Amino acid sequence: NAGVTQTPKFQVLKTGQSMTLQCAQDMNHNSMYWYRQDPGMGLRLIYYSASEGTTDKGEVPNGYNVSRLNKREFSLRLESAAPSQTSVYFCASSEQGVSEQYFGPGTRLTVT
Amino acid sequence: RKEVEQDPGPFNVPEGATVAFNCTYSNSASQSFFWYRQDCRKEPKLLMSVYSSGNEDGRFTAQLNRASQYISLLIRDSKLSDSATYLCVVNSGGYQKVTFGIGTKLQVIP
Repeated sequence: NAGVTQTPKFQVLKTGQSMTLQCAQDMNHNSMYWYRQDPGMGLRLIYYSASEGTTDKGEVPNGYNVSRLNKREFSLRLESAAPSQTSVYFCASSEQGVSEQYFGPGTRLTVT
Repeated sequence: RKEVEQDPGPFNVPEGATVAFNCTYSNSASQSFFWYRQDCRKEPKLLMSVYSSGNEDGRFTAQLNRASQYISLLIRDSKLSDSATYLCVVNSGGYQKVTFGIGTKLQVIP
């Protein structure tokens, strides 16, 4: 099992460009999450999907959109990147509810 | 007061030492608690859940003190491989109520 995979691993964008971060899990988990991690701050929840077909905002959703494509895949889209979105982005999944989460390797995004 | 507070460290300890970290939380209704480990430039990985009765996994012991609203992680006989950042996670109810601490950095020195 690969667990949680994310692509790309690194990305540099110019202000105003768009991109989609991809995430997939092979653990048959129901819930999936997108976080960002910035220096000196804990991981902050951007969006989550409690189950296939549902998505909800987390703590810092502005500037992002998500799609739960199917049970395995959960993508994060930046429509118009801003320097404030420079961060490390982690996707995670859990079996159901707010239980132990399993994280992907992360995407390091720089917006110039 | 922050929802979840951790001392960022670093804690520098010699191999073989015992080290303990605390994590305080502000919401008395918090329901579940976890410790994650994060190596430099890697993803967080679950270390252990924290149960009301406390739990132990090898050299690691986690405890919950609801009265004082903190959880603790004790590492005995520290190994070089224990060097990492330890994240405290508190769930106060629902997906949007999961809060990660900033982490405590541990450096085990030969």
